Amino acid sequence: AQSVTQPDIHITVSEGASLELRCNYSYGATPYLFWYVQSPGQGLQLLLKYFSGDTLVQGIKGFEAEFKRSQSSFNLRKPSVHWSDAAEYFCAVVGMSYQKVTFGTGTKLQVIP
Amino acid sequence: EAGVTQFPSHSVIEKGQTVTLRCDPISGHDNLYWYRRVMGKEIKFLLHFVKESKQDESGMPNNRFLAERTGGTYSTLKVQPAELEDSGVYFCASSQDRGTENTEAFFGQGTRLTVV
Repeated sequence: AQSVTQPDIHITVSEGASLELRCNYSYGATPYLFWYVQSPGQGLQLLLKYFSGDTLVQGIKGFEAEFKRSQSSFNLRKPSVHWSDAAEYFCAVVGMSYQKVTFGTGTKLQVIP
Repeated sequence: EAGVTQFPSHSVIEKGQTVTLRCDPISGHDNLYWYRRVMGKEIKFLLHFVKESKQDESGMPNNRFLAERTGGTYSTLKVQPAELEDSGVYFCASSQDRGTENTEAFFGQGTRLTVV
């Protein structure tokens, strides 16, 4: 069965600082990997996705993520955080048949001035 | 283009009552999914429709939950009777393709259900 682990429940960073959110997955084959963001009062918005090819993927809002097969990781990064990035971030995995999305527990990001 | 729309955005009901949640997917999307997030837990899959057929309902917690998608357009999720543990945020998502690099599930804003 596929699973996703986000070890950090809550992260606080200063505005302008760099950010890395951790994600580890468990899946028997090469998965499809996603990062979603949920801002207060909003739905889930797709930040980026990895299907195949280049292991460093670029997303919206200046985010990027790197797929590392050897570490079963798909960490999300941003070089300089903005106050508007405060939200909850979810890593997710989907199997090749795309039957359903398995989410991690989420990481809440707080941005301080 | 309109996104996935869920109604209501919030619902507060008493234990034992019935609640019906509605999801309008993006037009033309055959795949429709329901997910639920109980407070403090992960977002969990409930079920998946392909058009009007239930493709996978393995995530439905019990027979108090009934999902329908008549005509393959909008979907409803009914909880009858509601229990306290049903409180949470219910998300709906839709997608056009499956298993391709163009696959993307678009999520609605969610319905926050509170059972008191």
